[in-house]
Amino acid sequence: SAVISQKPSRDICQRGTSLTIQCQVDSQVTMMFWYRQQPGQSLTLIATANQGSEATYESGFVIDKFPISRPNLTFSTLTVSNMSPEDSSIYLCSVVRRTSGGADTQYFGPGTRLTVL
Amino acid sequence: GENVEQHPSTLSVQEGDSAVIKCTYSDSASNYFPWYKQELGKRPQLIIDIRSNVGEKKDQRIAVTLNKTAKHFSLHITETQPEDSAVYFCAAHNAGNMLTFGGGTRLMVKP
Repeated sequence: SAVISQKPSRDICQRGTSLTIQCQVDSQVTMMFWYRQQPGQSLTLIATANQGSEATYESGFVIDKFPISRPNLTFSTLTVSNMSPEDSSIYLCSVVRRTSGGADTQYFGPGTRLTVL
Repeated sequence: GENVEQHPSTLSVQEGDSAVIKCTYSDSASNYFPWYKQELGKRPQLIIDIRSNVGEKKDQRIAVTLNKTAKHFSLHITETQPEDSAVYFCAAHNAGNMLTFGGGTRLMVKP
């Protein structure tokens, strides 16, 4: 499996402010993903972050609202900009790691629980 | 794009009984189907997966079956225990390395 850490683990923010979430992986990975999980809901992909290129955003998510950085193969950040209460969610980063059996498997970080007042 | 439907949304079983969760997918190009277990306040954890060249896979009390023709796959948990209580998510993975998740099933195992 992959060791993935996220900071902060949780935060309470005021509307109109921005929060940057960090994701660190224990070894180099090509693709990193950012997901949102709203309360009681499933996981929704926000964007795919590849090192050295612009992030690819899913329908309904835009770069101005969720800018992403991927400066190297072990680190990424997601910023939630100009927050509103509707942004209250858990944000999870995820990576694909090839197992010893040669299969690509996706693992998740512990998540960042964001509450916007 | 891919669409994954998961049923039921909630499932309550008595300890020791079996639990079955079913998912359907829409993209015939999807070739990898993982199942994740998410306990309250925790991250999703991979519990079992199956690839499109296999029809069934088993790991102790957990098994997954795949019917590519019908585009559906199922999770089977036998001899359920209270610690199996969690939310379970199925997912379908296509060649673009994208995972699409089902809506989740809240499993409650009553002692």
